Amino acid sequence: SQTIHQWPATLVQPVGSPLSLECTVEGTSNPNLYWYRQAAGRGLQLLFYSVGIGQISSEVPQNLSASRPQDRQFILSSKKLLLSDSGFYLCAWSVRVEQFFGPGTRLTVL
Amino acid sequence: AQRVTQPEKLLSVFKGAPVELKCNYSYSGSPELFWYVQYSRQRLQLLLRHISRESIKGFTADLNKGETSFHLKKPFAQEEDSAMYYCALNIGNQFYFGTGTSLTVIP
Repeated sequence: SQTIHQWPATLVQPVGSPLSLECTVEGTSNPNLYWYRQAAGRGLQLLFYSVGIGQISSEVPQNLSASRPQDRQFILSSKKLLLSDSGFYLCAWSVRVEQFFGPGTRLTVL
Repeated sequence: AQRVTQPEKLLSVFKGAPVELKCNYSYSGSPELFWYVQYSRQRLQLLLRHISRESIKGFTADLNKGETSFHLKKPFAQEEDSAMYYCALNIGNQFYFGTGTSLTVIP
């Protein structure tokens, strides 16, 4: 069966520090991968999606970036965090049209 | 522009009462629509998809192309239905989610 992992589960970082959130998928190959931010009152905001290694599409211009160095690995990064980057980040994968979500990372930027 | 609209952020109903969570979408093609649910301390997960025309946990959702709606309904709400519900639209490789409706079923 397929599983999706995210780490860390929680993270507290100072403003201006770098960020690296990792997501890995097991039990499937060549999945579409997604990063979302879930904010209260704003629902799920699609940040990036990837249909293959090295292929990244950005939905929202911001100081975040994403990379897919391996087929089942998706990384969300930032060089300098802003206060507004605080939120709950979800990774998801899909094959065909259903999405499967990871447990999420709670990021607090102080 | 918001492709999926859920007008109700919060919805409270009494146990046994009917419940309807509204969803409207904006897309001129043939939509693929879903309802996702997030129970407390659990992952976001698929509840149902319009293609399947199925009833899951007593919930149904009918696609109304004329009204561009995909409202989620259940005739008799249960306490365990309390959760956050998201309507989602799939276009190609992209998914567009609404802002979610938090449903509370009052015992």
